[in-house]
Amino acid sequence: QTVVTQEPSFSVSPGGTVTLTCGLSSGSVSTNYYPSWYQQTPGQAPRTLIYSINIRSSGVPDRFSGSILGNKAALTITGAQADDESDYYCVLYMGSGIWVFGGGTKLTVL
Amino acid sequence: EVQLVETGGGLIQPGGSLRLSCAASGFIVSTNYMIWVRQAPGRGLEWVSIIYSGGSTYNADSVKGRFTISRDNSKNTLYLQMNSLRAEDTAVYYCAREWRVSMATDFFDCWGQGTLVTVSS
Repeated sequence: QTVVTQEPSFSVSPGGTVTLTCGLSSGSVSTNYYPSWYQQTPGQAPRTLIYSINIRSSGVPDRFSGSILGNKAALTITGAQADDESDYYCVLYMGSGIWVFGGGTKLTVL
Repeated sequence: EVQLVETGGGLIQPGGSLRLSCAASGFIVSTNYMIWVRQAPGRGLEWVSIIYSGGSTYNADSVKGRFTISRDNSKNTLYLQMNSLRAEDTAVYYCAREWRVSMATDFFDCWGQGTLVTVSS
């Protein structure tokens, strides 16, 4: 079974830039996988950040951007703020109606 | 305003059954793709099930044969019938809309607040 990989944790300084990645245990992430990114704070529902690799959802600040880096999807936060401290999840479409989430990245801003 | 509200969670014994509901407003459930996602305590998100506008359904292997996704068009509501529940099904269950507007755009654009299911004796 294909596993979607994410860094378990990451740390960034306020005002700094951080790139989180979303990969596959086998193969490369492409548009065919419809990668999207979600932000979740404790006790809250996920919030949609980025879809179709690099399109920001409504109301998402432009410090969040998406891309393909090498064989992975990537989420970059430029000018990190304290309230960006959250869990970030990517999800990929595997076909036949099936989606698989990555394990999530816990981002610390300090 | 597009909104999803889940209900039906609670404490249930192993082997028991529970039906979750997800009431939608601001859009029509039957013309959209709808999903269930769950999150075990302290764990990540897990895609569970989908129902397409045409009625086809798919489930994650972890729930196949035990969970059934359905909808009631007259109530504009999505359901998840959960049978043969196990301790590992303990999680917050979210419903969401899968927004597929083109061959290039497919993602989850609207989420409910979640409902907690606890499977324990």
